[in-house]
Amino acid sequence: KQEVTQIPAALSVPEGENLVLNCSFTDSAIYNLQWFRQDPGKGLTSLLLIQSSQREQTSGRLNASLDKSSGRSTLYIAASQPGDSATYLCAVSDSNYQLIWGAGTKLIIKP
Amino acid sequence: KAGVTQTPRYLIKTRGQQVTLSCSPISGHRSVSWYQQTPGQGLQFLFEYFSETQRNKGNFPGRFSGRQFSNSRSEMNVSTLELGDSALYLCASSEGTEAFFGQGTRLTVV
Repeated sequence: KQEVTQIPAALSVPEGENLVLNCSFTDSAIYNLQWFRQDPGKGLTSLLLIQSSQREQTSGRLNASLDKSSGRSTLYIAASQPGDSATYLCAVSDSNYQLIWGAGTKLIIKP
Repeated sequence: KAGVTQTPRYLIKTRGQQVTLSCSPISGHRSVSWYQQTPGQGLQFLFEYFSETQRNKGNFPGRFSGRQFSNSRSEMNVSTLELGDSALYLCASSEGTEAFFGQGTRLTVV
């Protein structure tokens, strides 16, 4: 049974710092991996999608990597800003397109 | 292109009642998935519909049901509401690999 773990559960850093969020999964037979952002009480915003055949994806200050063999993905945020404060969730998709979720990392960027 | 629309945004119901939530996917998307999010359990998969057929189902009791219409709009129904059903219900629309989420329906059962 696929399990997704996100570490740390919470992170607080000063504005301007670069940071890395981690996501690990137990079964490497994934179809893709997505990173999402969720603001309090709101829906989810897709940040990056990495197909199983890809190693990384970049969007602006965000870079996500995928290492299927080790069951790991990282989300790198460069030059963090207070507006980046949110909960970040990763989810892996199996061949049935079902998403299995991590519990999320709550990120606080201090001005 | 309009995003995923969920209605209503907020709902308060009494124990024992039933509720129906609606999700309109992105135009052209045939897959709609439903998720329940609670502080204690995180995001949990309810079910997925694709072209009017339930394709996947999570581990929820039969009180939770859904359907999808020919225009891909989906409804989720919860009967005999319990206090523990209070949650944010999210739906996701996809056509292939990437999922796009609505803003959710916040259901409070009192």
